Amino acid sequence: AQSVSQHNHHVILSEAASLELGCNYSYGGTVNLFWYVQYPGQHLQLLLKYFSGDPLVKGIKGFEAEFIKSKFSFNLRKPSVQWSDTAEYFCAVNARETGNQFYFGTGTSLTVIP
Amino acid sequence: NAGVTQTPKFRVLKTGQSMTLLCAQDMNHEYMYWYRQDPGMGLRLIHYSVGEGTTAKGEVPDGYNVSRLKKQNFLLGLESAAPSQTSVYFCASTRTWGTEAFFGQGTRLTVV
Repeated sequence: AQSVSQHNHHVILSEAASLELGCNYSYGGTVNLFWYVQYPGQHLQLLLKYFSGDPLVKGIKGFEAEFIKSKFSFNLRKPSVQWSDTAEYFCAVNARETGNQFYFGTGTSLTVIP
Repeated sequence: NAGVTQTPKFRVLKTGQSMTLLCAQDMNHEYMYWYRQDPGMGLRLIHYSVGEGTTAKGEVPDGYNVSRLKKQNFLLGLESAAPSQTSVYFCASTRTWGTEAFFGQGTRLTVV
């Protein structure tokens, strides 16, 4: 079974629209959570990460994500998207109970229309 | 500072041929990973290593072998390539458990 779930497979938005991408994971205990972005033809780059502390984390390019432990969720948000945000977004989890493995979701393809 | 470098960037193989993909990192990271990326399936972990001389299986290890003889290098081998191994392969490294992963540029492999 998929241990990291991204429910939105393909999202199309107009510029200036707000974005929220869902991510749920199935591990208990200590987790480290990440969002990565992959621009067309490029490798994955880190957007933001959560290790501990404030559950609302801010990343690069105006992205933020909220860790809700009770819901096993780590949703990505951006108040106003730009055309340059067109990319694929991956949620990733590193959980103590899985040892050293780094699990990724299936990704969400975001297309922003100018 | 090169980060994570993968060699080669592109390769076409015939079914049954063998090849080795090289991943090199210059950040003195302990952990290294090999993933394959396929449409609609995200990144799936093939093998990983938590230090020089160690390797472990990930989600989809069949048909692949790995070696970590030097801390900075992580090799992925295909002994007898199959069309199902057509994919984009990414190498990643992390300083230790739970830290940010740095990715290479990827290797696009086609098996015909």
